[in-house]
Amino acid sequence: GENVEQHPSTLSVQEGDSAVIKCTYSDSASNYFPWYKQELGKGPQLIIDIRSNVGEKKDQRIAVTLNKTAKHFSLHITETQPEDSAVYFCAAPHPSGYALNFGKGTSLLVTP
Amino acid sequence: NAGVTQTPKFRVLKTGQSMTLLCAQDMNHEYMYWYRQDPGMGLRLIHYSVGEGTTAKGEVPDGYNVSRLKKQNFLLGLESAAPSQTSVYFCASSRRSEKLFFGSGTQLSVL
Repeated sequence: GENVEQHPSTLSVQEGDSAVIKCTYSDSASNYFPWYKQELGKGPQLIIDIRSNVGEKKDQRIAVTLNKTAKHFSLHITETQPEDSAVYFCAAPHPSGYALNFGKGTSLLVTP
Repeated sequence: NAGVTQTPKFRVLKTGQSMTLLCAQDMNHEYMYWYRQDPGMGLRLIHYSVGEGTTAKGEVPDGYNVSRLKKQNFLLGLESAAPSQTSVYFCASSRRSEKLFFGSGTQLSVL
């Protein structure tokens, strides 16, 4: 299937700092890249997504950037807050086109 | 509006036992999915369905069967549970193959 590599696996930042999580994908035909946030004991929830026809998308403190040439995309969280602590997953289209393949996740800890 | 509901939330099985996990969605979504989540492995696709009466294999389908007899329900069956199937199982649904809505998960332990 589509190989989605995610780094780092764990990330610790101080409140107010920025956090960046990166993912690479293998299929150059992929055209949709979402990010999900999973809080403890809950299912993942979509927080932002980007299509291949744009290079960046922002939603308040969250942004996603896409580099199609290098086949990687990144999640940027600015002015981090303790409630941003969670596991974040990137994803890319499954080869069938009907599902998503997920990265292995990044555990983000924001310390006060 | 409940979204995606999974039952049960927790279950303990003995090796060789069978069980069925139920997923129900009330958003009239065409697509439904079963993923499993294991430490350090992320979310791996077990099976998926693109409409009532259809199912397809994902990346880790062995040992599981699924059925989509009604549009709103997607069942995941384990015919003979093995310890390797100890995991957290997530169901999701979507209108198309994007913007998946996940349930809260089923934690399964196979002893």
